[in-house]
Amino acid sequence: SQKIEQNSEALNIQEGKTATLTCNYTNYSPAYLQWYRQDPGRGPVFLLLIRENEKEKRKERLKVTFDTTLKQSLFHITASQPADSATYLCALAGGANNLFFGTGTRLTVIP
Amino acid sequence: GAVVSQHPSWVICKSGTSVKIECRSLDFQATTMFWYRQFPKQSLMLMATSNEGSKATYEQGVEKDKFLINHASLTLSTLTVTSAHPEDSSFYICSASPGTTNSNQPQHFGDGTRLSIL
Repeated sequence: SQKIEQNSEALNIQEGKTATLTCNYTNYSPAYLQWYRQDPGRGPVFLLLIRENEKEKRKERLKVTFDTTLKQSLFHITASQPADSATYLCALAGGANNLFFGTGTRLTVIP
Repeated sequence: GAVVSQHPSWVICKSGTSVKIECRSLDFQATTMFWYRQFPKQSLMLMATSNEGSKATYEQGVEKDKFLINHASLTLSTLTVTSAHPEDSSFYICSASPGTTNSNQPQHFGDGTRLSIL
């Protein structure tokens, strides 16, 4: 079965720096990959979707890359702010529009 | 747009009780809705795919007789945890997408239901 790993459970960075989160997967070739943000006690909120034929996607301070050879996606937040502190989840698309989620990385941006 | 509402937000009840959780798409129609469970510090685990007008599709290891799913309309799916026990205590989250099945649309999640069984 597919396995999805996010590089670290927790990541602390200084405000203003770029946060880089990693998502690796095995035993799967997804047509697309999504990133979500989850705050404590809340449901995930969609951030970005990237397709297998796209190398990079940007949205404001967010950037996602997708390397199907390495089976890896990187998620970057530039000029990070304390409000960016949350858990970030990567998700791979299943067959019937369902999603399989990674365990998440809890990001803390220190003022 | 694309708002999903989930109710109740939290439930505390005694062991043996059955609990119903509602998931509504407020501003779009959802042919398919998804139910997830999340334990503390773990990822979301897909439990089942709820299909309007037909039976739900359950993931391996999820008991369909224990987690009853009804998707009676294009805007409402319900999950009933029957005869709940303490090990069923978890955070249950639903999601839906305006797209049709197999479309690569983002999913919109409810805010989850915290279920605690005493």
